[in-house]
Amino acid sequence: GAGVSQTPSNKVTEKGKYVELRCDPISGHTALYWYRQSLGQGPEFLIYFQGTGAADDSGLPNDRFFAVRPEGSVSTLKIQRTERGDSAVYLCASSLGQNSPLHFGNGTRLTVT
Amino acid sequence: AQTVTQSQPEMSVQEAETVTLSCTYDTSESDYYLFWYKQPPSRQMILVIRQEAYKQQNATENRFSVNFQKAAKSFSLKISDSQLGDAAMYFCAYRSNSGTYKYIFGTGTRLKVLA
Repeated sequence: GAGVSQTPSNKVTEKGKYVELRCDPISGHTALYWYRQSLGQGPEFLIYFQGTGAADDSGLPNDRFFAVRPEGSVSTLKIQRTERGDSAVYLCASSLGQNSPLHFGNGTRLTVT
Repeated sequence: AQTVTQSQPEMSVQEAETVTLSCTYDTSESDYYLFWYKQPPSRQMILVIRQEAYKQQNATENRFSVNFQKAAKSFSLKISDSQLGDAAMYFCAYRSNSGTYKYIFGTGTRLKVLA
């Protein structure tokens, strides 16, 4: 079946621009996570949704970062006024529930020039 | 706050041999899960094995097994009969079973498999 889909796979933007990264979780998965992975590092937690609501957004680094999941399925990670330090791979993952395995997408590589 | 530490940035193993990847973690909780994920160059994280903290028996999945030492807060991954396809980044992860369900990852170990 279809896995977690992330679009675009690569995004190049100029410093100061606004970007949106999209995640389509596996159908029926209620939990959705966003992670950021810098080069040579492990994934860093950003935000976790259970259904439509953000159950934990403690990992968002500052108010330039925002994520939504309005209908409890597709999620969008939004970054305003991008900075070069935002360059990383942004990973999305979903799971059926709290005791189910996490399924990851292939990530979006964001490059801010 | 919970932390996960992987002290081996890179490991090498000969094909068909056995290798062990180390992971330690810090937590004050008693109920949690531990995981090993594999990340090949395609970037997609793949679950290798998971361990529930309340289970004393070490988890195994075919050629992959763990050595879970709860008191020592150690969770190592053993790969037996290593194959070329095992070459990847391996990440250890922790997830609480109460409160927030976020996963905390270590910095990873790059495994090279030599033919």
